[in-house]
Amino acid sequence: AQSVTQPDIHITVSEGASLELRCNYSYGATPYLFWYVQSPGQGLQLLLKYFSGDTLVQGIKGFEAEFKRSQSSFNLRKPSVHWSDAAEYFCAVGPSTGGGNKLTFGTGTQLKVEL
Amino acid sequence: NAGVTQTPKFQVLKTGQSMTLQCAQDMNHEYMSWYRQDPGMGLRLIHYSVGAGITDQGEVPNGYNVSRSTTEDFPLRLLSAAPSQTSVYFCASRRGAGDGSYNEQFFGPGTRLTVL
Repeated sequence: AQSVTQPDIHITVSEGASLELRCNYSYGATPYLFWYVQSPGQGLQLLLKYFSGDTLVQGIKGFEAEFKRSQSSFNLRKPSVHWSDAAEYFCAVGPSTGGGNKLTFGTGTQLKVEL
Repeated sequence: NAGVTQTPKFQVLKTGQSMTLQCAQDMNHEYMSWYRQDPGMGLRLIHYSVGAGITDQGEVPNGYNVSRSTTEDFPLRLLSAAPSQTSVYFCASRRGAGDGSYNEQFFGPGTRLTVL
């Protein structure tokens, strides 16, 4: 069965500093990978996705992520963090090998931005 | 398009009560899902549907029922609420992909449920 690990539960960065959120996955084939962001009291919004092709993908709000097959990783990066980026970030992998609609989510990384 | 809508936004139940969480989407998506979100556990799939009349269990289905009579609606029923079902519930939908690829999921704003 596939799984996703987000090793950092909480991360604090200063506004203007760079950011990297880690995501490692376990999957039996070429995965579809996603990063979602959740602001307090809100639903999940898709930041970016990787299906195939260029391993560096660009998303909304200035985020990017790099797929590294050899490391089973899909880390999220942003060169300069803004205070409005404070939120919870979820990495997800799919679909399940059984098909259907199954995305497997990591447990999330809570980002705090210090002014 | 309204996207994925959920009602209610908040609900408090007593143990043993039943209720239905509503979910609707106006994007004509074939796939719909229900997740629950608990602190430190990410999102866990409860039930999903690949089209009207077809549903299947996710990883945490116990205590929940679903049906899909139309493409647009996918209600989640709690038969006899328990405190362990206190959670935030998200509905999601996505378009099917006939070429074997996988399309992104769109999420509703969530329902925060408390069971006393």
